[in-house]
Amino acid sequence: EVQLVESGGGLVQPGGSLRLSCAASGFTFSNYWMHWVRQAPGKGLVWVSRIKSDGRGTDYADSVKGRFTISRDNAKNTLYLQMNSLRAEDTAAYYCASPGAPYNSGWVDYWGQGTQVTVSP
Amino acid sequence: DIQMTQSPSSLSAFVGNRVTITCRASQDISNSLAWYQQKPGKAPKLLLYAASRLDTWVPSRFSGSASGTDYILTITSLQPEDFATYYCQQYYSSPLTFGGGTKLEIK
Repeated sequence: EVQLVESGGGLVQPGGSLRLSCAASGFTFSNYWMHWVRQAPGKGLVWVSRIKSDGRGTDYADSVKGRFTISRDNAKNTLYLQMNSLRAEDTAAYYCASPGAPYNSGWVDYWGQGTQVTVSP
Repeated sequence: DIQMTQSPSSLSAFVGNRVTITCRASQDISNSLAWYQQKPGKAPKLLLYAASRLDTWVPSRFSGSASGTDYILTITSLQPEDFATYYCQQYYSSPLTFGGGTKLEIK
C-alpha cells in the first residue's frame, strides 16, 4: 500500500524558513517523479513543484521559484521542500503527491494527508 | 504559463441529475488533463487522466471528453457520494496548473 506522510509544518514568521519532509513507502520511490501541491484555507489546489526520479530535474510554480527548493533522498525514500523567504500567502496545507506509474511526470494518483504551514508575525 | 479556466465555480443539483463541468485551457494541451475529486478535510483523489481515462476506483457514471481546448467532466445519475469539489489539472507543460475548482452541492 502506498503511503505518503508529510511532516515539518508549523508556524513561522514572514521571511523565515521551513523544511517539509515526506516519507514514502509501498512503492519503489527511486523510480517515481514526486510533487508538492498546496491549498490555502478555503481555496483551491495549487501545484508547487516536482522532481524527477533521480533528482536531476526540477520544476517550480512561478510564485515559489527562487524561494523554494525541492529535493529527495532516494536512499531514505524521502522527499523534501525547503521553503525560504516565506510570505503570508504561502500559508497553506502542503501535500506530497506521487504518480501511480514509474516515470509519469504529470498527474498524481497518491496524496499524503498534508502538513499545515502558517506564516504569520 | 497555461491557464485553466474552470466553470462553473459552484453547482447545485439533485441526486440522479446529470451534470457537466468544463475546463478551458489557454492553449492546446493535447489531452494532457486530469480531474480530481476532493471532499472536505480530505486529500484530493484522482478521477481521470489523459482527459478521458478513468482511474481504477471510479464508477462508470463519470466520464471525460474534449472539444478543442475545452475539457468536460460529466457525471450522470449523481449519487450522494459525488457531492464534492472537482478540479482539473493540465500536465502538458510546466508549470503544471489546476483549474479554480467546482463545488458540487446537493439541491
